[in-house]
Amino acid sequence: GENVEQHPSTLSVQEGDSAVIKCTYSDSASNYFPWYKQELGKRPQLIIDIRSNVGEKKDQRIAVTLNKTAKHFSLHITETQPEDSAVYFCAASRGSGGYQKVTFGTGTKLQVIP
Amino acid sequence: ETGVTQSPTHLIKTRGQQVTLRCSSQSGHNTVSWYQQALGQGPQFIFQYYREEENGRGNFPPRFSGLQFPNYSSELNVNALELDDSALYLCASSLGGLAATDTQYFGPGTRLTVL
Repeated sequence: GENVEQHPSTLSVQEGDSAVIKCTYSDSASNYFPWYKQELGKRPQLIIDIRSNVGEKKDQRIAVTLNKTAKHFSLHITETQPEDSAVYFCAASRGSGGYQKVTFGTGTKLQVIP
Repeated sequence: ETGVTQSPTHLIKTRGQQVTLRCSSQSGHNTVSWYQQALGQGPQFIFQYYREEENGRGNFPPRFSGLQFPNYSSELNVNALELDDSALYLCASSLGGLAATDTQYFGPGTRLTVL
């Protein structure tokens, strides 16, 4: 089955600096890659996603890149702010026998230091 | 448009008991997926329901079962609770379970503690 590895597990950056989180996946059939932000005690919220026919997508301070050949994708947050502090999960999704199977990474705890 | 809701928020049970968790999908969504999130881990896929039928399942034993109703709301039932079942249970709804590229929107979760 699919295996998604996520690094680093924790990340501390100064406010205003950039943060990068990297994920690799094993199943070449995966074709949709969402990123979720989860604040303490709250639900995971989609922040950005990318589909396999696109190499890069940007939404204001957040960008995601995808390298299908190498089977890795990354989240980039620029000009970080204290409210960016949370746990971030990457995920890989594929169709599997008639249903959508989503496999999550283990999460990155991002701390933005004011 | 209403978002995904779950009930109850918290639940405490003892080993061997049974529990039912509930999820209302987002308006217009016909697919519900259930996940177990242990502390400090990513969500683990339990199963998915599409138009009232289970159409996919992860590596969870049969004592984890579910239902989906005609209004697309869903229940997760866990029998013979074990200590390791303590976790945050999340449901996520999406437009249609047959598309691998559907966005899943999560509910706030039910925190289950098994003593």
